Amino acid sequence: DAKTTQPPSMDCAEGRAANLPCNHSTISGNEYVYWYRQIHSQGPQYIIHGLKNNETNEMASLIITEDRKSSTLILPHATLRDTAVYYCIVRIPGANSKLTFGKGITLSVRP
Amino acid sequence: KAGVTQTPRYLIKTRGQQVTLSCSPISGHRSVSWYQQTPGQGLQFLFEYFSETQRNKGNFPGRFSGRQFSNSRSEMNVSTLELGDSALYLCASSSTQGSTYEQYFGPGTRLTVT
Repeated sequence: DAKTTQPPSMDCAEGRAANLPCNHSTISGNEYVYWYRQIHSQGPQYIIHGLKNNETNEMASLIITEDRKSSTLILPHATLRDTAVYYCIVRIPGANSKLTFGKGITLSVRP
Repeated sequence: KAGVTQTPRYLIKTRGQQVTLSCSPISGHRSVSWYQQTPGQGLQFLFEYFSETQRNKGNFPGRFSGRQFSNSRSEMNVSTLELGDSALYLCASSSTQGSTYEQYFGPGTRLTVT
């Protein structure tokens, strides 16, 4: 079973920041938080991951709370092409480490 | 660097037939995982291969099998196809260098069973 909880959907205006929340209250000390997104009918796309520090890359920022029980993926300037299902996943990286996908959150970016 | 490629992209088969799907990982990636995506069950893990050995398996019947070759390319096979096997089959490759094993997905093979 997925170990994360995400709201089913949200929307934001193009050009504004999209803040996607994820709850992972049972996360263990050696589990990382990963975010993927899936644009309709395409394969999931890796976005970012983190352990306890905030992370930023060219796609997004990941903010993890100090107690690590929740995190927020931030798309700083959402575009229409960011409309997708976003999955928050916790896992211990390494051998035998599968991705367990939940239902994700559907982000709709409106013009 | 080229991404994960999967062939064929679309496939139509009849119940009872078998099918083989192919996946070429990103160059240098030695781990290949397979997932099934259906509207009802979402994305589900099938199995993972590393160095030609299956090292993790999901909860699927034995009709689903796979293998990996010495060049890390992988195939999955589904025998005695059922209507419920209609799905998007996704392959993901992962580098085992470094520590965080992020997986990179291919575009998938859309299988329709009639």
